[in-house]
Amino acid sequence: DAGVIQSPRHEVTEMGQEVTLRCKPISGHNSLFWYRQTMMRGLELLIYFNNNVPIDDSGMPEDRFSAKMPNASFSTLKIQPSEPRDSAVYFCASSLDMYEQYFGPGTRLTVT
Amino acid sequence: GESVGLHLPTLSVQEGDNSIINCAYSNSASDYFIWYKQESGKGPQFIIDIRSNMDKRQGQRVTVLLNKTVKHLSLQIAATQPGDSAVYFCAENLNGAGSYQLTFGKGTKLSVIP
Repeated sequence: DAGVIQSPRHEVTEMGQEVTLRCKPISGHNSLFWYRQTMMRGLELLIYFNNNVPIDDSGMPEDRFSAKMPNASFSTLKIQPSEPRDSAVYFCASSLDMYEQYFGPGTRLTVT
Repeated sequence: GESVGLHLPTLSVQEGDNSIINCAYSNSASDYFIWYKQESGKGPQFIIDIRSNMDKRQGQRVTVLLNKTVKHLSLQIAATQPGDSAVYFCAENLNGAGSYQLTFGKGTKLSVIP
């Protein structure tokens, strides 16, 4: 079975542009997590979905960030407008009623 | 131990020796703890977990110890190999049972000297 799939793997964009990150969780998993990783702040949880419903979005930095999960096999994280301080590696992870989360390879975002 | 500021704590170990990576967790109400390994350019990967009703749990070449009195967690790696070089994160379920959210520490970088 394929693991968590994220796209794109790398994204370079200019400040002010819209960025959309995509995630396909492991088939059958019912929880999905978006994380952001930076050297300064480490691995931070942005938002957590359970059965496609957002459960906790308290980690979303500000209104420029939004996340959706239209179905069990797809989620997006959107940043609009993007800023240089959004540069980070964004990870998606999924799990099935358990704490063990399976992480994707991440999307490295650079905003210039 | 946990990271402070910009720099990850680094542990350098000779190949074949045992490694001990420490973590101080924050919430005495957390009842589940997990260790992840992150290699360069990859996502974190599950290593081993432990519930608060246990003090010790062993896996293949790894052992996790939990000391609830001082809120301390450690990961022991036996006969460390070059492939063990990575950043290791501890995580806890700050929100308690019923939520599968994890809160991660800043990580410790393990470097294995051949």
